[in-house]
Amino acid sequence: SQQGEEDPQALSIQEGENATMNCSYKTSINNLQWYRQNSGRGLVHLILIRSNEREKHSGRLRVTLDTSKKSSSLLITASRAADTASYFCATDARNTGFQKLVFGTGTRLLVSP
Amino acid sequence: NAGVMQNPRHLVRRRGQEARLRCSPMKGHSHVYWYRQLPEEGLKFMVYLQKENIIDESGMPKERFSAEFPKEGPSILRIQQVVRGDSAAYFCASSPQGIGQGFYEQYFGPGTRLTVT
Repeated sequence: SQQGEEDPQALSIQEGENATMNCSYKTSINNLQWYRQNSGRGLVHLILIRSNEREKHSGRLRVTLDTSKKSSSLLITASRAADTASYFCATDARNTGFQKLVFGTGTRLLVSP
Repeated sequence: NAGVMQNPRHLVRRRGQEARLRCSPMKGHSHVYWYRQLPEEGLKFMVYLQKENIIDESGMPKERFSAEFPKEGPSILRIQQVVRGDSAAYFCASSPQGIGQGFYEQYFGPGTRLTVT
């Protein structure tokens, strides 16, 4: 299976702390994206990092990509209760001819006040 | 500019019935993707369509499932003779570009939660 895996499966932290989630994938990619999904809702695109980039920032989000290890990390700094959600990485595999996203299994983040 | 719309949001069907899930892409988008999410799992690609064409259906079960995206109207994901294992959330995404045109973001709808009793 091409599906990636997030680690940890679940993470529980206090407001103000940082949250780090990791994603591993199996094939060569064009880019990797992170999405957030609130319980029972659709996905919200957070950030995209291309295969030739190593780090990217967006507000309180910091994403790294290590193509040699086929892994990525998402760091949320100064977390808030509103960050409580599931976070998924999705890869866009090379040579598929179009952007078929392959999602990981997700990390469930709980931020307590 | 309305986002991707899906309806119904919740659908309950008895085993053996048919389920029809509708997706209206964002204005100006002509590419539609369907994904399925089982409880506690990530999304899995099912099918990619352009107007009047199925481009890739490698993720679709071989039987009972079909998808279309007509020239006019929404994209439809149809599941015939539903079984309990079809219970899942079905998400639609749309994008403005497709094959060989570089990266383009997929915008997701809110999903349809199908429950088969």
